[in-house]
Amino acid sequence: QVQLRESGPGLVKPSETLSLTCTVSGGSISGYYWSWIRQPPGKRLEYVGYISKTGTTNYNPSLTSRVAISVDTSKNQFSLNVNSVTAADTAVYYCARIGSGTSTPDRGFGNFDYWGRGSLVTVSS
Amino acid sequence: DIVMTQSPDSLDVSLGERATINCKSSQSVLHSSNSKNYLAWYQQKPGQPPKLLIYWASTRESGVPDRFSGSGSGTDFTLTISSLQAEDVAIYYCQQYYTNPPWTFGQGTKVEIK
Repeated sequence: QVQLRESGPGLVKPSETLSLTCTVSGGSISGYYWSWIRQPPGKRLEYVGYISKTGTTNYNPSLTSRVAISVDTSKNQFSLNVNSVTAADTAVYYCARIGSGTSTPDRGFGNFDYWGRGSLVTVSS
Repeated sequence: DIVMTQSPDSLDVSLGERATINCKSSQSVLHSSNSKNYLAWYQQKPGQPPKLLIYWASTRESGVPDRFSGSGSGTDFTLTISSLQAEDVAIYYCQQYYTNPPWTFGQGTKVEIK
């Protein structure tokens, strides 16, 4: 059973960089695309971006100037950096697997079949 | 971006009764090349991450009880729980994956027991 777990600081100061890592267990990071999704308090889920095992990335245009996602296949991990954070970046951050890969049903590209439990990141001084 | 709008925002349903959640997209998510609707439904229970229930608007994910069904096409979709169980108390989200990202979610519908 694939499991994802987010890790990183729960509190970040304004203007600094938010950094989170997602560790994938129970399966290889290869063969799939991996994504970050966030949910600000009281708001809807928001797609942040995705990365492939080879490092191909895509970012939400609303965040693209501040976001970077990277992958470390040797550790079965991928990471998120968001720089110059403000209070608006306060959210629960989820890592998730895009549900289209070598061993999945044909679900199309862009839904999410495995999620981490989420990591609350608060931006505050 | 495609805007997803769900209705109602919350729903109180008696155990064993039907629950119906609607989702409307600001543009069609039906792809002409394969006649598939790029629409998914998720269930999020308190303290848990979202769980994929349905994709292609009407295909149940493996292991999802058959009391959950999805329907609709184009811009209007419905998630139906045919006989509400206590364990179905959750927030339900629709999500489109028709376009290149950003893929977008509805605001969620909270289902509770009456």
